[in-house]
Amino acid sequence: QVQLQQSGPGLVKPSQTLSLTCAISGDSVSSNSASWNWIRQSPSRGLEWLGRTCYRSKWYNDYAVSVKSRITINPDTSKNQFSLQLNSVTPEDTAVYYCAREAPGLDYWGQGTLVTVSS
Amino acid sequence: DIVMTQSPDSLAVSLGERATINCKSSQSVLYSSNNKNYLAWYQHKPGQPPKLLIYWASTRESGVPDRFSGSGSGTDFTLTISSLQAEDVAVYYCHQYYDTPRTFGQGTKVEIK
Repeated sequence: QVQLQQSGPGLVKPSQTLSLTCAISGDSVSSNSASWNWIRQSPSRGLEWLGRTCYRSKWYNDYAVSVKSRITINPDTSKNQFSLQLNSVTPEDTAVYYCAREAPGLDYWGQGTLVTVSS
Repeated sequence: DIVMTQSPDSLAVSLGERATINCKSSQSVLYSSNNKNYLAWYQHKPGQPPKLLIYWASTRESGVPDRFSGSGSGTDFTLTISSLQAEDVAVYYCHQYYDTPRTFGQGTKVEIK
């Protein structure tokens, strides 16, 4: 059974960096048949896909245009996890953040982390 | 980007009646080489992560009740709940995984009439 466990702070100050980690059990971040995604949900935006990392003989990353200049998703094979960094956050980045596996469709999700951007 | 548009935005249905949600993509999500539609449906309840119901447009995820069904191809898709139960009150989203960036519909809120 695949499980995704999220960790990271729930409060970030404006202009700082949002950092979250998603630990994987029951699968591998290096799987060549899955991709590992970050999605957020807010009342104003609904579900918004932020980006993904996947391994297909080499590592690939794809990012949403809306955050492309501020986002980094990194795999960590030694800990079997992947991370999200979102720089220069504003209150508009306040949302519930989820990690999820796509294989196909987003079949396993983390528990969600409410991240509030406020001073 | 592929834009996903759902209709209606909200829906009130009596218990035991049929609920139908539509999803239209701005371009085809049918991959001709394998004849698969890269379209999924999710159920989202407050305080929980979204739950995958349907993938490949019509394949029910393991454990999903058979009152949920998906249909359609190309750019037009439908999620049907054949007999609405109280536990089906939620927001439902379609999602394309044909191309990046992945995109979702805006959501359809299903309530009991």
